Amino acid sequence: QKEVEQDPGPLSVPEGAIVSLNCTYSNSAFQYFMWYRQYSRKGPELLMYTYSSGNKEDGRFTAQVDKSSKYISLFIRDSQPSDSATYLCAMEETGGFKTIFGAGTRLFVKA
Amino acid sequence: DGGITQSPKYLFRKEGQNVTLSCEQNLNHDAMYWYRQDPGQGLRLIYYSQIVNDFQKGDIAEGYSVSREKKESFPLTVTSAQKNPTAFYLCAGRQGKEAFFGQGTRLTVV
Repeated sequence: QKEVEQDPGPLSVPEGAIVSLNCTYSNSAFQYFMWYRQYSRKGPELLMYTYSSGNKEDGRFTAQVDKSSKYISLFIRDSQPSDSATYLCAMEETGGFKTIFGAGTRLFVKA
Repeated sequence: DGGITQSPKYLFRKEGQNVTLSCEQNLNHDAMYWYRQDPGQGLRLIYYSQIVNDFQKGDIAEGYSVSREKKESFPLTVTSAQKNPTAFYLCAGRQGKEAFFGQGTRLTVV
């Protein structure tokens, strides 16, 4: 079993839809939770970063962490065609130097 | 223009040949990383370096080698011992827990 599980999709939604992207994990020592966005043939870039449990909101994006269920989510409101990309969840232990990445979910937002 | 610069963007290699991928940074990051990305598998760590003249193997180091002689540079050599080298390779610097990635090098073995 992988440390981080993420459905690779693809996920296709109409413009304006609410998108929910999710990851599960098995390592209870993970404390840092991140979402990266990767456009085609580009390097990933950090989108959201959360420490421990709780919610974090940034514009149309909301990240949620439920440590009791070992489950994290990224919500995108009012999705736009420019949101079409691969979204990778990532996690790390406190004091660690190795980030563990999910497989990435490919999202298509249709105009 | 600050950032992580990888070159070349596309690279073709014949079987049995070694090839070196370049990674340069001007962000003053102590830590640098090399990842390999394959479809459906996310990013897998090849090597990382936390300081000049020191580096550690990641999860899939076999068939790869690195050097870190300067803070700004962290080249990756894909050797002929790597059985399946065709992939997208990403270099990253790191500040805190945030990774800053280059634009990647797509290596194809022909």
